[in-house]
Amino acid sequence: QQPVQSPQAVILREGEDAVINCSSSKALYSVHWYRQKHGEAPVFLMILLKGGEQKGHEKISASFNEKKQQSSLYLTASQLSYSGTYFCGTELLGNTDKLIFGTGTRLQVFP
Amino acid sequence: DTAVSQTPKYLVTQMGNDKSIKCEQNLGHDTMYWYKQDSKKFLKIMFSYNNKELIINETVPNRFSPKSPDKAHLNLHINSLELGDSAVYFCASSQESATDTQYFGPGTRLTVL
Repeated sequence: QQPVQSPQAVILREGEDAVINCSSSKALYSVHWYRQKHGEAPVFLMILLKGGEQKGHEKISASFNEKKQQSSLYLTASQLSYSGTYFCGTELLGNTDKLIFGTGTRLQVFP
Repeated sequence: DTAVSQTPKYLVTQMGNDKSIKCEQNLGHDTMYWYKQDSKKFLKIMFSYNNKELIINETVPNRFSPKSPDKAHLNLHINSLELGDSAVYFCASSQESATDTQYFGPGTRLTVL
């Protein structure tokens, strides 16, 4: 039931792009993305509610493919501050009482 | 002002002891959660409360007992602590439901020796 994220880890140089994927085995109502820096709490990035809808702010955007039960997070021109572990959180169709968090993707950005 | 706060930040204790973690939110949210993050960083929901009412109890051993005295507070009491309880416990809150943005507290790192 836990969504699977890929890749497990990404290493980037500043300015490079990355894509993080989140795949569920069950139909989804929404996908949430969070970033957690080492030793800190997860922080909300964005929510995607509709199939194919793309949301974003600044250089981080995401898409949600309802049919494929997948979401992708796009990080463009990465900055040092992007380093951390990214989690997708999924709400299942018909069971929206909780978020089920994915396996996590660790992203490290170097100068 | 801190939105979601937890105490203590660190908790080191012996197996078999009983301990509590407190959580408070000043965001005026109706729903609060407890999550457990294990050593592999997997973040799993344990409980959620909406307006002091238990909504989710996610097959957590009954040694764990949440209590919500009012909608701004959600405490977690753990009896007879075991080694496997060692983890970081996060409290979170959201406006109404899990569809809303969740705001996490700083976490409580529990170490059971």
